[in-house]
Amino acid sequence: GEDVEQSLFLSVREGDSSVINCTYTDSSSTYLYWYKQEPGAGLQLLTYIFSNMDMKQDQRLTVLLNKKDKHLSLRIADTQTGDSAIYFCAVTDSWGKLQFGAGTQVVVTP
Amino acid sequence: GAGVSQSPSNKVTEKGKDVELRCDPISGHTALYWYRQSLGQGLEFLIYFQGNSAPDKSGLPSDRFSAERTGGSVSTLTIQRTQQEDSAVYLCASSADTYGYTFGSGTRLTVV
Repeated sequence: GEDVEQSLFLSVREGDSSVINCTYTDSSSTYLYWYKQEPGAGLQLLTYIFSNMDMKQDQRLTVLLNKKDKHLSLRIADTQTGDSAIYFCAVTDSWGKLQFGAGTQVVVTP
Repeated sequence: GAGVSQSPSNKVTEKGKDVELRCDPISGHTALYWYRQSLGQGLEFLIYFQGNSAPDKSGLPSDRFSAERTGGSVSTLTIQRTQQEDSAVYLCASSADTYGYTFGSGTRLTVV
């Protein structure tokens, strides 16, 4: 089965960059995603990257994919207090099924 | 509808009772997932429907859990003889393709 691992906690100062890391085991993963979950809310798709890409940028978000090392990262530039949330890494397995990491809690301090 | 709709949003039930959770996916979405999120935990995969294929039930934690999807649209997750460890937020997601899964707001189930 697919294993998706993330660090559980990240503290960052407002205005700094945040980097959230994720590793996975299934080399056949086609799409890789980052979801955001704010307290008491559902999951919001932030961005995704196709496996034949190594970088995708969308405003303050930059996704880096190292397919050789099976490493995915999400960088948030100029982190704001509204970025405080749990961030989930997710990948599709060879059957197209979505597998999630345990989530990284990001706390933004003033 | 515009998004994935789940009902009820909150459900409190007594231990041993059966509950039904409903998911209305986005119209035309062929893929539908159920996940469970316990307090402070990540997402636990439960079941996956894709078009007319047999569902992937590999994540269902026990035979007290079942799900069906009628007409390729609405899905119902049923938990029989609920236990306290079933307390969690049950999330449904749908997709038209292999990217862009949209999640509902979830049903918070509390078994007392």
